[in-house]
Amino acid sequence: DGGITQSPKYLFRKEGQNVTLSCEQNLNHDAMYWYRQDPGQGLRLIYYSQIVNDFQKGDIAEGYSVSREKKESFPLTVTSAQKNPTAFYLCASSSLRGSTDTQYFGPGTRLTVL
Amino acid sequence: AQSVTQPDIHITVSEGASLELRCNYSYGATPYLFWYVQSPGQGLQLLLKYFSGDTLVQGIKGFEAEFKRSQSSFNLRKPSVHWSDAAEYFCAVGAGNQFYFGTGTSLTVIP
Repeated sequence: DGGITQSPKYLFRKEGQNVTLSCEQNLNHDAMYWYRQDPGQGLRLIYYSQIVNDFQKGDIAEGYSVSREKKESFPLTVTSAQKNPTAFYLCASSSLRGSTDTQYFGPGTRLTVL
Repeated sequence: AQSVTQPDIHITVSEGASLELRCNYSYGATPYLFWYVQSPGQGLQLLLKYFSGDTLVQGIKGFEAEFKRSQSSFNLRKPSVHWSDAAEYFCAVGAGNQFYFGTGTSLTVIP
């Protein structure tokens, strides 16, 4: 079945550690996105990528980094510079680059900082 | 700047009753409009979308939405709610290569 997978589902991190969240899609989509979700705040865009080896900052990129070495994969690293990383992280993809098409979402990763 | 407003943070309805969730947007051109649903701890599932044409669009699970340009609205409706519809609902606007999401409406269904 085609879709988007995110791993792990739950992730715990000690303060000062970097952690990487995985996002893989087999939909052959060009564009991929990372969102952060906090209660009562909806979804906020962290980074997006429209093509391999290229990505753009979203509204809340500080303390995060990404890479796009393969079309299928868009991992997100939460660095120690992110002051409040505990949140639910959602990855999405869409088929068209440079225009707007439907975004499809993965099941999410819940990150908790201990 | 683009924005999406969902004025109702939380709505409670009885099973079998009708439902309307409100969404207003701010965007200079005709937007692409979406409704998504999210169950607790899960990703977002697309319910329906409007790109152009007929302003009343049908989606999955018996939902429909109507685009009203004059009111900048895209309200979601369902004639008879089921207990399984309890979830968080998000309205979104697609503008350029980005989406703008509302803050969501939490739906509780009572038997």
